[in-house]
Amino acid sequence: AQTVTQSQPEMSVQEAETVTLSCTYDTSESDYYLFWYKQPPSRQMILVIRQEAYKQQNATENRFSVNFQKAAKSFSLKISDSQLGDAAMYFCAYRSGITSSNTGKLIFGQGTTLQVKP
Amino acid sequence: ETGVTQSPTHLIKTRGQQVTLRCSSQSGHNTVSWYQQALGQGPQFIFQYYREEENGRGNFPPRFSGLQFPNYSSELNVNALELDDSALYLCASSLGGASGGTGELFFGEGSRLTVL
Repeated sequence: AQTVTQSQPEMSVQEAETVTLSCTYDTSESDYYLFWYKQPPSRQMILVIRQEAYKQQNATENRFSVNFQKAAKSFSLKISDSQLGDAAMYFCAYRSGITSSNTGKLIFGQGTTLQVKP
Repeated sequence: ETGVTQSPTHLIKTRGQQVTLRCSSQSGHNTVSWYQQALGQGPQFIFQYYREEENGRGNFPPRFSGLQFPNYSSELNVNALELDDSALYLCASSLGGASGGTGELFFGEGSRLTVL
């Protein structure tokens, strides 16, 4: 079974600074997707960034980028130029590839609460 | 384009009662999945529906059941409520199909259930 682990329950960053959130996962599959989701107090889960396992290039979305280390099964999220609106709970998530029989279910980590200080 | 909407947003039930939560998927999305999120935890997959049939289930007992309707909206039913069922229930829709495809999941804001 696949597992996702986020070892940082809470992180804080100064506005305009850079912060990195850690995530490790365990799987025996070769085809999968990794995601970072943001959940603000409004509760709605919002996709921040996604990475396909077969792609060696790290995904980037504006101020958000990942460091995907497939051999180490590590998938960290870097937020540059942090803004007050980045404050939220961040979840790392795993999904099996379409060749798997595991449907489209997401396996989430425990989450990291990010505080942004003005 | 309407997003995923869930109702009710909050509700309180007592142990032993039954509850029905509703979800309207994003326009055109044919796959709906439900997640349970306990306070301070990550969401846990309950089940997924595609073409009105359950095609994937997490580690939840049979008293958790669901439906998907021809318009792709969905219901989550929980019978014989227990205190541990208190959680945020999230619905997500996608264009993934039975295998989940590569489609992004779009989440609603959830229904907060409190069981007393």
